[in-house]
Amino acid sequence: RKEVEQDPGPFNVPEGATVAFNCTYSNSASQSFFWYRQDCRKEPKLLMSVYSSGNEDGRFTAQLNRASQYISLLIRDSKLSDSATYLCVVNPGGGGNKLTFGTGTQLKVEL
Amino acid sequence: GAVVSQHPSWVICKSGTSVKIECRSLDFQATTMFWYRQFPKQSLMLMATSNEGSKATYEQGVEKDKFLINHASLTLSTLTVTSAHPEDSSFYICSARSRQKYSNQPQHFGDGTRLSIL
Repeated sequence: RKEVEQDPGPFNVPEGATVAFNCTYSNSASQSFFWYRQDCRKEPKLLMSVYSSGNEDGRFTAQLNRASQYISLLIRDSKLSDSATYLCVVNPGGGGNKLTFGTGTQLKVEL
Repeated sequence: GAVVSQHPSWVICKSGTSVKIECRSLDFQATTMFWYRQFPKQSLMLMATSNEGSKATYEQGVEKDKFLINHASLTLSTLTVTSAHPEDSSFYICSARSRQKYSNQPQHFGDGTRLSIL
């Protein structure tokens, strides 16, 4: 089983749609969780951290369910510029500040 | 904000050549730097963790004699791909962790280096 699993997509959605991405992680001791965005042939960029209580940043809402080892990202009112690959990222703990990346979910927002 | 510069951004060279990639933290001291590799349509895979002044820690399956890492200062780490072959062609990305108190970013990423071996 992969440490971090995501549906690779692609998700093709019309502009203005709401889209949700899911992610599961295998290590129950994982300490911190993030969503990153990666554009084609570019480095990943932090979109938002994910907190146990859930958190929102503008059109983006992230949620964490530790019991189910499940993370989600909701994008409302999607824009063309949201087209990218969204990476679920987990700090597995155990020291060392390592990050484990999912393979990413590709989003294409269309007119 | 924290910036990490990676150089070169693109390399094309012949099989058997050794290629050096530099990763610099421009406005902060990085006690730890990480080197990742990403093949098309795959996730970033951690290759090694580099701590300033000590030997790098390599992930399972990564050959330390092939991927030489040097982290001689708090602002510079280098990755040398020795005797590169076409299967080493990939996107190599470095990241750095600030020595300062944990910021909102767990790691600051460089722009990446696209390596193509002919």
